Amino acid sequence: DARVTQTPRHKVTEMGQEVTMRCQPILGHNTVFWYRQTMMQGLELLAYFRNRAPLDDSGMPKDRFSAEMPDATLATLKIQPSEPRDSAVYFCASGLVVARVSYEQYFGPGTRLTVT
Amino acid sequence: SQKIEQNSEALNIQEGKTATLTCNYTNYSPAYLQWYRQDPGRGPVFLLLIRENEKEKRKERLKVTFDTTLKQSLFHITASQPADSATYLCALAWGTGRRALTFGSGTRLQVQP
Repeated sequence: DARVTQTPRHKVTEMGQEVTMRCQPILGHNTVFWYRQTMMQGLELLAYFRNRAPLDDSGMPKDRFSAEMPDATLATLKIQPSEPRDSAVYFCASGLVVARVSYEQYFGPGTRLTVT
Repeated sequence: SQKIEQNSEALNIQEGKTATLTCNYTNYSPAYLQWYRQDPGRGPVFLLLIRENEKEKRKERLKVTFDTTLKQSLFHITASQPADSATYLCALAWGTGRRALTFGSGTRLQVQP
């Protein structure tokens, strides 16, 4: 049963520290998404990749967030330096885009980040 | 500005009844709309997709309607069960290439036994 995996599942860190979250998309999916979920803002799209190329990262605070796909089996989201307002659950999702149409997305279990 | 609205208050219904959840949107011209289920502590799980040229879609006990004139989608669960209790999110695909999804804030459904 193919699924998206994310590590770590939980992360507690102090303000100013670097945080790296990792995601392994489902094999064969050509699009990877990073979302952030909070009670106040709901589920927000941060960035997404197609065939490992970044397509849109307009939802991401550029000064401290960065997202990369070093290979087809790994996507990373990095926050440096972290701030308390970054506390949220970060989800990775993967999916297929065919003929410029995106279909269902498969979400990972999320990384719950707490910045103190 | 663009907005997706779902009833933020929890919906409580009795087991066996039909649950109806609403998703309204403004200032979008979505190519298609999706519904997801999210359980506490887990990622959303895809349920149904309906395209702009489709009025209705069914899957087992689930039914989705899509009215682009009213800018509204309704999500129905018939013969509801306590196991259907979860938060249900609607998401719109829009924009260049129709690749990005924008999610509503979700409606929490509680089915009482």
